[in-house]
Amino acid sequence: QVTLKESGPGILQPSQTLSLTCTFSGFSLSTYGMGVGWIRQPSGKGLEWLANIWWDDDKYYNPSLKNRLTISKDTSNNQAFLKITNVDTADTATYYCARIPLLPVPLYWYFDFWGPGTMVTVSS
Amino acid sequence: DIQMTQSPASLSASLGETVSIECLASEDIYNNLAWYQQKPGKSPQLLIYYASSLQDGVPSRFSGSGSGTQYSLKINSLESEDAATYFCLQDSEYPWTFGGGTKLELK
Repeated sequence: QVTLKESGPGILQPSQTLSLTCTFSGFSLSTYGMGVGWIRQPSGKGLEWLANIWWDDDKYYNPSLKNRLTISKDTSNNQAFLKITNVDTADTATYYCARIPLLPVPLYWYFDFWGPGTMVTVSS
Repeated sequence: DIQMTQSPASLSASLGETVSIECLASEDIYNNLAWYQQKPGKSPQLLIYYASSLQDGVPSRFSGSGSGTQYSLKINSLESEDAATYFCLQDSEYPWTFGGGTKLELK
């Protein structure tokens, strides 16, 4: 059974660094083709993809957040992490992590299982 | 970036009806499209991947079709539990991008 769960600080102040943890079970990030992604959703709005990390430690980021994002993983402990530096009120959102499995034929990746999300508020 | 234009933004339908939701990509995404259902306060649930493949456990009244830049999600015989917001996702090219969402209300 695949499960993911996000954790974060809940609230933080502008200019601080947001640190998020995704703890998962039922799969391994050391498995060929596997990935984990981060997505966020401001209240009442749409979804925004943030970053992906892959089994081979390859990483991809949304350029709209410029150089503020850092994604990493701890394969031994089944965790993935996301840091966002210099937050402001526009970063207030629910943050989700999701598994990315490999469909070998055709070669295709997609988010299948998502965590319940963690709400983050940036406020002074 | 590939823009995903989803329509309609909202729709209202009756139980038992059939509805379609469209996603138009700004360039060819080669069937690299998934559809998700999201209910209030919940995380998105995968319905369709690779444009037309039904995720395990999803009712067969959901179906996906399309190619190139035009894709659609069809829901047959609407049930009350289908009231939700639906999103498409293109994962053909980075940055992955979502459609703006379609809120489906049951009359």
